[in-house]
Amino acid sequence: GQNIDQPTEMTATEGAIVQINCTYQTSGFNGLFWYQQHAGEAPTFLSYNVLDGLEEKGRFSSFLSRSKGYSYLLLKELQMKDSASYLCGVMDSNYQLIWGAGTKLIIKP
Amino acid sequence: IAGITQAPTSQILAAGRRMTLRCTQDMRHNAMYWYRQDLGLGLRLIHYSNTAGTTGKGEVPDGYSVSRANTDDFPLTLASAVPSQTSVYFCASTPRASGGHNEQFFGPGTRLTVL
Repeated sequence: GQNIDQPTEMTATEGAIVQINCTYQTSGFNGLFWYQQHAGEAPTFLSYNVLDGLEEKGRFSSFLSRSKGYSYLLLKELQMKDSASYLCGVMDSNYQLIWGAGTKLIIKP
Repeated sequence: IAGITQAPTSQILAAGRRMTLRCTQDMRHNAMYWYRQDLGLGLRLIHYSNTAGTTGKGEVPDGYSVSRANTDDFPLTLASAVPSQTSVYFCASTPRASGGHNEQFFGPGTRLTVL
């Protein structure tokens, strides 16, 4: 079967760095997405990885290792507004997105 | 309209009633999707449409039906609602059905409660 695993909840301090991990087992691989979802709102796109390595976009970076079925989202200089759920999604061989359950990130002052 | 919209925003429904959730996008995207999101389970695909006139079943299609008469609209119908269909429903779209960097754009969601 297809499976995406990510921690249920993480807590971090304002101004710090946090890494949210995602491991996956899917039928084929056509890219990995990270989305941010604030409570009561729709998911919004953060990053896309299809090749191994690190993609950096401002305070957010995303890493992929296809051989290990592993990705992480790195958030630097945390701000209170970063409190949200972070969703990992893998596009399978049929170009369908398989989603993890999401990681709720709590930022404390 | 800018982007993707859904209606209603929220609804309380008696079990056994029929309900249609509406989704409209003005981005001329070919592919559209319906997900439900439940606590601890993440987003699960109900139905999808790769292009107008075609639809397909996702991971959890039972009890739901869809149609895609044109590019813009993708309604989701619950023929006879049951309490297990209480969820938040998101509609999403992408420019094309396949290909690499094909991010999905999400509507604001419909919160449905079936009593």
